[in-house]
Amino acid sequence: DTAVSQTPKYLVTQMGNDKSIKCEQNLGHDTMYWYKQDSKKFLKIMFSYNNKELIINETVPNRFSPKSPDKAHLNLHINSLELGDSAVYFCASSQVAGGPYNEQFFGPGTRLTVL
Amino acid sequence: RKEVEQDPGPFNVPEGATVAFNCTYSNSASQSFFWYRQDCRKEPKLLMSVYSSGNEDGRFTAQLNRASQYISLLIRDSKLSDSATYLCVVSKGFGNEKLTFGTGTRLTIIP
Repeated sequence: DTAVSQTPKYLVTQMGNDKSIKCEQNLGHDTMYWYKQDSKKFLKIMFSYNNKELIINETVPNRFSPKSPDKAHLNLHINSLELGDSAVYFCASSQVAGGPYNEQFFGPGTRLTVL
Repeated sequence: RKEVEQDPGPFNVPEGATVAFNCTYSNSASQSFFWYRQDCRKEPKLLMSVYSSGNEDGRFTAQLNRASQYISLLIRDSKLSDSATYLCVVSKGFGNEKLTFGTGTRLTIIP
């Protein structure tokens, strides 16, 4: 019954490593997002995909590369991890319904710790 | 200046009291307004959308003042389960636009 799921839930890794986070939604939505919530709890958009096409890229370092194999999946690959990448990464999805008020549904988050 | 500004709190309020949160936004092109709720170590969830005429959902009332670029949330008869961080969120609307979040206001209801 999980609407938006992410794996893994926790990720602890060394600086310089490459890691991926996966996200899947079973809501039939056409748009998916990645958000980053830092240690001060500030939540900020990173990327958005609509029907597998990138539509938002918010000045994120190019070490971060999203990939959407189909509209139900949006993965995030991070190269050469840095200490400042430690955060909670949330995936979300929404359906464009023709009006301005479209609820975004969030996954449970992936807590990334870079040592 | 932050795009969405909120008083971070914390607000410590006795059970049964009424509490109000305020939020201001800087982008006058914003079209959609929301309050999301985030429990500790959980994901944000939509509490309510905020419409131009103001709207109510049970104990929760949201108001929007476009001229002042100001949004409010009022919680009446607060319950222990209302303890959470309340996030003010704006968007330029039109479906798949990004959400811009405030830093959140932390609320603790005291028994």
